[in-house]
Amino acid sequence: QQKVQQSPESLIVPEGGMASLNCTSSDRNVDYFWWYRQHSGKSPKMLMSIFSNGEKEEGRFTVHLNKASLHTSLHIRDSQPSDSALYLCAASIDSGYNKLTFGKGTVLLVSP
Amino acid sequence: GALVYQYPRRTICKSGTSMRMECQAVGFQATSVAWYRQSPQKTFELIALSTVNSAIKYEQNFTQEKFPISHPNLSFSSMTVLNAYLEDRGLYLCGARDRRDTQYFGPGTRLLVL
Repeated sequence: QQKVQQSPESLIVPEGGMASLNCTSSDRNVDYFWWYRQHSGKSPKMLMSIFSNGEKEEGRFTVHLNKASLHTSLHIRDSQPSDSALYLCAASIDSGYNKLTFGKGTVLLVSP
Repeated sequence: GALVYQYPRRTICKSGTSMRMECQAVGFQATSVAWYRQSPQKTFELIALSTVNSAIKYEQNFTQEKFPISHPNLSFSSMTVLNAYLEDRGLYLCGARDRRDTQYFGPGTRLLVL
């Protein structure tokens, strides 16, 4: 069973709209979450990471974390066509986060 | 800046043959290197984690006999896919971590098996 579940599998939002992506870990040992963006044919690039309960904002991107439920969400406001990509959520059990467990990802399409 | 190079970027090998791929950290010392595989229709799976001065740890379903890894210094790692078959095709990513725990991914080596 996949230890990191992401939803939805795919998402279409209009340009300028808000995209909301979800991720939950079933491993109670997880303490750290990472969000990556992978454009087609490219390697993933880290967007944001979060370790503490609450919210973290960087530009148009906001990440929430609820450690009790091991649920994190990524919100992209004012979505742009260039945001169209595969968004991967990854979790690790400690700060040595080289050992990441990835979810299957959410494919985001921002329509012009 | 810190960069991770992977070579080759794309490769094709015949079924049953072996293929070696390399990972080079530039601008920082890679205290640990993780190799991942993204197979078609699948997410990234960790193959093994190599930390300087520690034994290489392979994940379940991956073995040293199939994916031998060399991590001779703080800037270089290589992994070989032995006896590659169709199920081994995919994008192989190298993730290198520096002393401040920042991780950098290389662009990947895409393996196609015929």
